[in-house]
Amino acid sequence: TQLLEQSPQFLSIQEGENLTVYCNSSSVFSSLQWYRQEPGEGPVLLVTVVTGGEVKKLKRLTFQFGDARKDSSLHITAAQTGDTGLYLCAGGSPGTYKYIFGTGTRLKVLA
Amino acid sequence: NAGVTQTPKFQVLKTGQSMTLQCAQDMNHEYMSWYRQDPGMGLRLIHYSVGAGITDQGEVPNGYNVSRSTTEDFPLRLLSAAPSQTSVYFCASRQRRTSGGAGEQFFGPGTRLTVL
Repeated sequence: TQLLEQSPQFLSIQEGENLTVYCNSSSVFSSLQWYRQEPGEGPVLLVTVVTGGEVKKLKRLTFQFGDARKDSSLHITAAQTGDTGLYLCAGGSPGTYKYIFGTGTRLKVLA
Repeated sequence: NAGVTQTPKFQVLKTGQSMTLQCAQDMNHEYMSWYRQDPGMGLRLIHYSVGAGITDQGEVPNGYNVSRSTTEDFPLRLLSAAPSQTSVYFCASRQRRTSGGAGEQFFGPGTRLTVL
């Protein structure tokens, strides 16, 4: 069974601070996606990474896929209150149509 | 486009009752999935479909049935509700995977189900 562990589970920081969220597995994934979910809504895709070692930037967010395609990280620079939410990683299961979701990181950015 | 729609938004059932959660998408996506979300466990795949008439089981299929008679609709049936099925249910759809990686999944707003 493929599992994706996210850490930390909860994170509360002040506006302007930097943070990193990790998504780790012992399994290889064909791709890795990051989603953000607001209360009462479904997850919304932030980015997809498909190549080992790939780095993508989305404004203040930097996403990296591990060289072995087993892990990923999300780094936020100078966090803002609008970054508050639940961050989920999801790995594409090779040879299937399925995605395996991580356990989630709940981020709260305080003004 | 409405995207992915789900009804109802909230539902309370008694143990043993049955019901159907509705999901529809207007983006002509081939792939549709049902997930449940529980605290500290992310989203877990219940059932998925790769096209009309084709469905398969995910990680946690027991107690749920699905069918896909049209591209647009993918209902989830709870046969005999149990308290362990109290959760938030999300339906998602996406296009067939293209070369270079996975496609974006579009999620509905969710159905909050409580089983007493």
